Amino acid sequence: DTGVSQNPRHKITKRGQNVTFRCDPISEHNRLYWYRQTLGQGPEFLTYFQNEAQLEKSRLLSDRFSAERPKGSFSTLEIQRTEQGDSAMYLCASSLGQGRASNEKLFFGSGTQLSVL
Amino acid sequence: SQQGEEDPQALSIQEGENATMNCSYKTSINNLQWYRQNSGRGLVHLILIRSNEREKHSGRLRVTLDTSKKSSSLLITASRAADTASYFCATVPPPQGGSEKLVFGKGTKLTVNP
Repeated sequence: DTGVSQNPRHKITKRGQNVTFRCDPISEHNRLYWYRQTLGQGPEFLTYFQNEAQLEKSRLLSDRFSAERPKGSFSTLEIQRTEQGDSAMYLCASSLGQGRASNEKLFFGSGTQLSVL
Repeated sequence: SQQGEEDPQALSIQEGENATMNCSYKTSINNLQWYRQNSGRGLVHLILIRSNEREKHSGRLRVTLDTSKKSSSLLITASRAADTASYFCATVPPPQGGSEKLVFGKGTKLTVNP
């Protein structure tokens, strides 16, 4: 499978716990994005990487959220001290990253569904 | 904040009918993209239309772009039950400090009844 892979597929946690999600992009893709999506809404941008550099982070992202892409390959998204409002689908996407983002299509993973009880 | 907004929010049609979804956006764009999302899955890219294009076709999909009205439409002809999904338009807002994020609308939920 050469698509974008996300793990785990589902995560149930208790409020206050930390969770970490992993994304493996398509191997030759330089750009990696994280989005969050709640029911009935479109994906909401969280952050993106060009290789290992985190170039933009949404103002909506609180200090409890951190993302890394240490070697410019896979990425992790960690949420500390989870809250019920963090319950959502977390989507990862990648693109070639060779030009303007508006010129490139994103390839999405199937997402990680987080439920905070 | 969302750059694009789809209309209608939900659409229900019979198999074989055409489905039209609209997207309006707020600022100037270079290109506009449409994506499809099946329930509980990731998004799949459908088509990209550049700002200097007025119409583009891909199989049963037809996309139009009117930059003067800041709007785009997605037409699915001869719909099938498998077309049941949510459809999103997405754009990259004008560069602000080099931003390269793709911003999505809220989507149109299409149901095609057999």
